[in-house]
Amino acid sequence: QSVLTQPPSVSGAPGQRVTISCTGSSSNIGAYDVHWYQQLPGTAPKLLIYDNFNRPSGVPDRFSGSKSATSASLAITGLQAEDEADYYCQSYDRSLSAVVFGGGTKLTVL
Amino acid sequence: EVQLVESGGDLLQPGGSLRLSCAASGFTFSNYAMTWVRQAPGQGLEWVAVISANGVNTYYADSVKGRFTISRDNSKNTLYLQMSSLRAEDTAVYYCAKDPRWLQYFDWWGQGTLVTVSS
Repeated sequence: QSVLTQPPSVSGAPGQRVTISCTGSSSNIGAYDVHWYQQLPGTAPKLLIYDNFNRPSGVPDRFSGSKSATSASLAITGLQAEDEADYYCQSYDRSLSAVVFGGGTKLTVL
Repeated sequence: EVQLVESGGDLLQPGGSLRLSCAASGFTFSNYAMTWVRQAPGQGLEWVAVISANGVNTYYADSVKGRFTISRDNSKNTLYLQMSSLRAEDTAVYYCAKDPRWLQYFDWWGQGTLVTVSS
């Protein structure tokens, strides 16, 4: 059971918009920034969004992040086949004194 | 470009020991904290340990505290994870990652090395 809760799967057709939610509590998302990683099949995770909404250099602006209270969301617009991957949210938990991840969401492009 | 290359993964029996290495290049290694994150087969990500840039400060997940030791050699641009008293539940791909802001996020990851603990 992950500290941060994500839906196990989401799907969308090419060109559509999908969102992935990440729900936490006052000891993690409510107190710290949220970050998102993309893990393509068979590869290492890659930083996608940091500090709630910032994109590292090279990440397309089709990817955006937001945060409100104890929840965060990742939105992907103009869905492409190469976006098919697992997506993880991550924050810090002050009660656990540890980095925490969501359980991951598998995005399927129909 | 930043490169992180892990090595040392192996198949070993419960109770065994192993040392993983992570060779870093493309950035000033001694300026950054480094972390280990693992991923059990078919499972999600789990943070394991972090070490400060100068190697003085270390922190561990409760699941590995007392059994794993993170260390670094800044003269060799290399990060290590000494693992002992290994259990079946330690079976995972172990990733090293660059930690630019102390346990906030990880901006570069290695390709991972597989550790399998099985009798």
